[in-house]
Amino acid sequence: SQQGEEDPQALSIQEGENATMNCSYKTSINNLQWYRQNSGRGLVHLILIRSNEREKHSGRLRVTLDTSKKSSSLLITASRAADTASYFCATDDGNKLVFGAGTILRVKS
Amino acid sequence: DADVTQTPRNRITKTGKRIMLECSQTKGHDRMYWYRQDPGLGLRLIYYSFDVKDINKGEISDGYSVSRQAQAKFSLSLESAIPNQTALYFCATSDLVSDETQYFGPGTRLLVL
Repeated sequence: SQQGEEDPQALSIQEGENATMNCSYKTSINNLQWYRQNSGRGLVHLILIRSNEREKHSGRLRVTLDTSKKSSSLLITASRAADTASYFCATDDGNKLVFGAGTILRVKS
Repeated sequence: DADVTQTPRNRITKTGKRIMLECSQTKGHDRMYWYRQDPGLGLRLIYYSFDVKDINKGEISDGYSVSRQAQAKFSLSLESAIPNQTALYFCATSDLVSDETQYFGPGTRLLVL
């Protein structure tokens, strides 16, 4: 089955800086989603971008999708300590989602 | 998300024991999922159900079974637990008609000794 692969595996930045995470996948998709997971807790949906969309915004989040390169990026602007979490991309595989291994983001205050 | 609950939240068991993890949801969603999370491996799908009479195997179903007792309840069983089933288990729900996103429970941390 296809799987999103996030890059980098871990990212450490200072509060106020921007954080960019990338996701690559293998086969055609209908949509791609990003989720956040605070330590040991359930995942929380952040944003969904459809295959016919190139960019989407939600608050401090900006997601891009390049279907020709089979890649997506998640940008968090003006990061806060509370953004410290793991971030996962998920691609649709028929009627279910396939998650990548995630990027661990640490925002230092 | 308080709309999706999991019990127990933590469990320690011994090799060979049968254990059941339960998931309940009040979101009225038809679709429910069980995932397993291991460090560095993200989430892997164990089983999923699109309605009460529908059960499907996921990527790693061996050693697990499920029961969809009602629209709101989806249980995961380990018939004979083994140490490599030590992991964090998540239940999730979705409603494709209105929303393609998944809503996750808080997780069950399972340790098999």
